[in-house]
Amino acid sequence: GESVGLHLPTLSVQEGDNSIINCAYSNSASDYFIWYKQESGKGPQFIIDIRSNMDKRQGQRVTVLLNKTVKHLSLQIAATQPGDSAVYFCAEHSGGSNYKLTFGKGTLLTVNP
Amino acid sequence: EAGVTQSPTHLIKTRGQQATLRCSPISGHTSVYWYQQALGLGLQFLLWYDEGEERNRGNFPPRFSGRQFPNYSSELNVNALELEDSALYLCASSRTGANSPLHFGNGTRLTVT
Repeated sequence: GESVGLHLPTLSVQEGDNSIINCAYSNSASDYFIWYKQESGKGPQFIIDIRSNMDKRQGQRVTVLLNKTVKHLSLQIAATQPGDSAVYFCAEHSGGSNYKLTFGKGTLLTVNP
Repeated sequence: EAGVTQSPTHLIKTRGQQATLRCSPISGHTSVYWYQQALGLGLQFLLWYDEGEERNRGNFPPRFSGRQFPNYSSELNVNALELEDSALYLCASSRTGANSPLHFGNGTRLTVT
């Protein structure tokens, strides 16, 4: 069945460093991927998305890379700030009309000042 | 633009009772999704409604049900509450169609005692 997992459950970085959060997925039919950020007491917040016909997409301080060959997704955050501390989830859409996003368990990012 | 709103923010029920959770989507969004986020776990897909119809359902028992109203708002009902139903219930909305990101509310924290 489909599954989305994260390589690292926790990540601790120094303020100003770049962060890389990784995600593996198993469904080769997945055609759309999203990264979310969830702060304590809040719902997940959309960060960036990427379609399967792309391998890279950039936003403000964030870049998502998609490697379909090894079914791997990563989120890069440049110049990480204390406000970036949160749990990050990747999610995949497995294609088809029964639209459903499958979420990974999440990675806790802690930014040390 | 107002985001997804959920009510109540907190709900305390006793085992065996029924709970009703409500969600108002972002204006212009016709799809509503419900997810369960138990403590320490990722988001588990519950239900997807679009244009008033249930389009997809996750692996949850029938005592989890819902509906979508003509104004696209939605209700999640959980009957015969069990202790393990205690979780954060998240509602999200999106425009109809594949590859549209979900935008989440801040959830309803349901506690079953």
